[in-house]
Amino acid sequence: DGGITQSPKYLFRKEGQNVTLSCEQNLNHDAMYWYRQDPGQGLRLIYYSQIVNDFQKGDIAEGYSVSREKKESFPLTVTSAQKNPTAFYLCASSKQSNQPQHFGDGTRLSIL
Amino acid sequence: GIQVEQSPPDLILQEGANSTLRCNFSDSVNNLQWFHQNPWGQLINLFYIPSGTKQNGRLSATTVATERYSLLYISSSQTTDSGVYFCAFESNSGYALNFGKGTSLLVTP
Repeated sequence: DGGITQSPKYLFRKEGQNVTLSCEQNLNHDAMYWYRQDPGQGLRLIYYSQIVNDFQKGDIAEGYSVSREKKESFPLTVTSAQKNPTAFYLCASSKQSNQPQHFGDGTRLSIL
Repeated sequence: GIQVEQSPPDLILQEGANSTLRCNFSDSVNNLQWFHQNPWGQLINLFYIPSGTKQNGRLSATTVATERYSLLYISSSQTTDSGVYFCAFESNSGYALNFGKGTSLLVTP
């Protein structure tokens, strides 16, 4: 079945540690996105990518990094510079940047 | 930036009841979408509705772009409808979605 797979579902980070969240899609979509959701809030954009080897910062990119080496994959690294990383992270993709977005099941990141 | 207000913020319904959720915008928006986030966090795209009316089973949505609002109708609600409903619109760059704060719905048996 086509879809978006995020892993892991739950992730714990120690102080000063970088962690990487995986996002893979087999929908042949060009555009991919990372959002952060805090409790009781809507989603906020971290990074987006319209095409392979290209990505742009969103509203809250500080402390995060991404890569887009393959069309299917858009991993997000939460660096030690992100001082408040505890949140629910959602990855999405769309055929093109102005098409409906489809979401993965998310990764919950917590600090140890 | 464009402000989006969702109402009501919280809603409790008895199974079988109908409801209307609303999204108001401070300015014209592009390509409005409605999402349902279930209690496990999964986010499902319900409607892609820049204008007009669409229906999908017990759900329907209407967007009146000229008056800067969109409505989501839920008829004969079921407990599985519980969760948070978000409206979202594309930013002017067209590259990402801006989300409202959501309406939290609880449907009781």
